[in-house]
Amino acid sequence: TQLLEQSPQFLSIQEGENLTVYCNSSSVFSSLQWYRQEPGEGPVLLVTVVTGGEVKKLKRLTFQFGDARKDSSLHITAAQPGDTGLYLCAGAATYKYIFGTGTRLKVLA
Amino acid sequence: NAGVTQTPKFQVLKTGQSMTLQCAQDMNHNSMYWYRQDPGMGLRLIYYSASEGTTDKGEVPNGYNVSRLNKREFSLRLESAAPSQTSVYFCASTDWPGKNTGELFFGEGSRLTVL
Repeated sequence: TQLLEQSPQFLSIQEGENLTVYCNSSSVFSSLQWYRQEPGEGPVLLVTVVTGGEVKKLKRLTFQFGDARKDSSLHITAAQPGDTGLYLCAGAATYKYIFGTGTRLKVLA
Repeated sequence: NAGVTQTPKFQVLKTGQSMTLQCAQDMNHNSMYWYRQDPGMGLRLIYYSASEGTTDKGEVPNGYNVSRLNKREFSLRLESAAPSQTSVYFCASTDWPGKNTGELFFGEGSRLTVL
């Protein structure tokens, strides 16, 4: 069974603070994706990382794929209230996408 | 630009009743998925269809059946609903491995309550 554990589960921070969300698994994935979900909507893709050790930046968000392709991290610099939402990692392996347990982020103004 | 369309958006059932959730995509994707999301949680894969004519079990298939009717449509059926199946159901599609790096496109969700 492929499992993706995210930590922390909940995070409440002040505007301007930095944070890191972790996504860990004992399984190897061909790629790993990060999604963000707003209330009442489906998740929307933020980034896909494919190569072990890969780092991708999306404005204030930095994503890293572990060397062994089993884990990933999402770092947000200078968080803003607009970053509030549910962040989900998803591992892809042969047509299947397995989602992590989710990190609910709240950024206070 | 419809993308992935799910119906119904809301449904209330009594224990033991049956129902079918419908999903259609207009992006010519090969692969389609059904997930459930419980309050404050991540998504759990129920069933998926890698391509037209094939279906496979995901993480939590018990109590559900699926049909890949054609390339566009993928339905999820609850034969005898139970309160444990109260959840929000999401349909998604992608073109594996595809030009879009396998991005999953989701519908807006179907909120199901079983009394």
